[in-house]
Parts: sequence; structure tokens; C-alpha cells
Amino acid sequence: GIQVEQSPPDLILQEGANSTLRCNFSDSVNNLQWFHQNPWGQLINLFYIPSGTKQNGRLSATTVATERYSLLYISSSQTTDSGVYFCAVEPTSGTYKYIFGTGTRLKVLA
Amino acid sequence: SQTIHQWPATLVQPVGSPLSLECTVEGTSNPNLYWYRQAAGRGLQLLFYSVGIGQISSEVPQNLSASRPQDRQFILSSKKLLLSDSGFYLCAWSARDRASFGSGTRLTVV
Repeated sequence: GIQVEQSPPDLILQEGANSTLRCNFSDSVNNLQWFHQNPWGQLINLFYIPSGTKQNGRLSATTVATERYSLLYISSSQTTDSGVYFCAVEPTSGTYKYIFGTGTRLKVLA
Repeated sequence: SQTIHQWPATLVQPVGSPLSLECTVEGTSNPNLYWYRQAAGRGLQLLFYSVGIGQISSEVPQNLSASRPQDRQFILSSKKLLLSDSGFYLCAWSARDRASFGSGTRLTVV
């Protein structure tokens, strides 16, 4: 099956710093989403981005489907950005299932 | 707008007892539905997904089963819980361009 790997696995930032999180996937996909899991376990949908670039405030994401990767950019990080960031992909194999990456655990220090 | 309800939020069950977790979705029809499990500090593992009533696909052999008796209802069950069934269980739905999660059930088997 498709493999989804994220890097780095862990990241510690000072408040105000910028960061880039990466998601690599091993096969073609129909859909790709980025999620943020907060310290209480809730998964929040950040971006639906099977291709191209999107921006939402301090966050932006880019997916290059032909090269099988996606990037999530966090600018001017805040302590509330802490948590785990997951990418999830829906392979084009037609099975309609979302497979999650390994996650990046982010901690933003005040 | 679509909402997803999952309950209970926390559950402590003895080994060998049965389990029933319920998930319902509002505001959409014929969604794809999913059950994921997250062990402490780790990624999300897809357990089951369903593309329609009575249609269940299992991703990993385990002590759990799933059912979809109605279009917007997804149930996760076990006849006899094991210690290894402890974890954070998340229900999710997806449509054409997004996927969203319930708030999760933290299950501790003692």
C-alpha cells in the first residue's frame, strides 16, 4: 500500500519563528489534506490541497502531485500552533480511504 | 454545515467486556465513514472504512468489528476487549473535497 512519511518527526521553535513541514507519499493520490491535532486530541482540518498552493492566515500549503510531496508552512509561529501535524492522502486506487502520515510533533516555546 | 458526533468521550472498561462506540454524521448524505485508532504518542491507524450502508472494509485483523446500519451511523464494536484495545478512537467522514473528524473516544481497558 501507499506509504506516507512526514518530516521532521519533532520540531521545537521559539515563538515568532517560521517552519516548513514536509509530507512525502509513495503513489499517486486523489486527495491530500493537512490536519492539526491539538493537545486535547482534536483533529482540525487545515487544508484540502491535492495540488497547487493555498494560504490561510499564517499557514500555507503547497502540493506538487507529480513529485509526490506536500509542504506546510507556518510563519510567525505562536504557542497555540503546538501539537501534531498530520497529512492524509486518498490514493487513486479507488478505495476511498484516507491514509495518514507519521506526523510532525511541533512545540512552540514562548 | 456538516457535523460529526462521537460518544462517549472517555471510557474505562474491564478486559473481556463488550464495546460499542457510536458515530453519527449530520448535514451530508452518503458520506464515506472511517474508524481510526491512535495509540499514545503515535500516528493514526485506519481500522475500518465504509462507502455505504452495510459495506465495511477492514484494514487490519483485530478484535474489533464495525457496522453501518444507517447511512450516517457508524458503530465500532467488540465482543471481548483486550488490554491492547486501549487507545484513542476517532470517527471521520469524507466527501469529495474534505474529511473531518469527531472529537474522539479515549478508551482504557483495565
